[in-house]
Amino acid sequence: SQKIEQNSEALNIQEGKTATLTCNYTNYSPAYLQWYRQDPGRGPVFLLLIRENEKEKRKERLKVTFDTTLKQSLFHITASQPADSATYLCALNTGGFKTIFGAGTRLFVKA
Amino acid sequence: GAVVSQHPSWVICKSGTSVKIECRSLDFQATTMFWYRQFPKQSLMLMATSNEGSKATYEQGVEKDKFLINHASLTLSTLTVTSAHPEDSSFYICSARETRQGQNQPQHFGDGTRLSIL
Repeated sequence: SQKIEQNSEALNIQEGKTATLTCNYTNYSPAYLQWYRQDPGRGPVFLLLIRENEKEKRKERLKVTFDTTLKQSLFHITASQPADSATYLCALNTGGFKTIFGAGTRLFVKA
Repeated sequence: GAVVSQHPSWVICKSGTSVKIECRSLDFQATTMFWYRQFPKQSLMLMATSNEGSKATYEQGVEKDKFLINHASLTLSTLTVTSAHPEDSSFYICSARETRQGQNQPQHFGDGTRLSIL
């Protein structure tokens, strides 16, 4: 069955640097892949969606790449700020309406 | 933007009590809503898919008699945890996807319900 792997260790970076988070999946390539942000005690918030025929997607300081050969997506936050500190979840569809989520990577941006 | 409202945000109750959680899409219609359960530092675990006007589809291992789901309208789904016990304590989150053609629509999440059973 399809599995998502995200680095369970927290990522600590300095303000102003670029944060890069990795999402790997194990099985077939999904039609699209999504990234969400989750703050403690809150529900996830949708950030970006990238389709299998798209190599890269940008939104303000966010950039997502999708490599179906490597079965990997990278999520970048440029010019990171302390307010970017949160858990970032990778999600992909498994066919039909079902979406599965990775466990997320915690990002800490230090001022 | 699309907003999903989930209530209550926090419930503490005695063992054996039934608890109802509401999930509403405020500014869009949602044929399909999803109920998740999340343990600390773990992934969202899909419990069931709620379909407007029909029975919910439960994931393997989820007791349908324990977790009753009703999706009576295009904007409201409810999850009732019946005869709750301490092991049911968790963070429950609902989400909704806008009713449009195509499946590549993002999910919009409620803010979750923290359920604590004493």
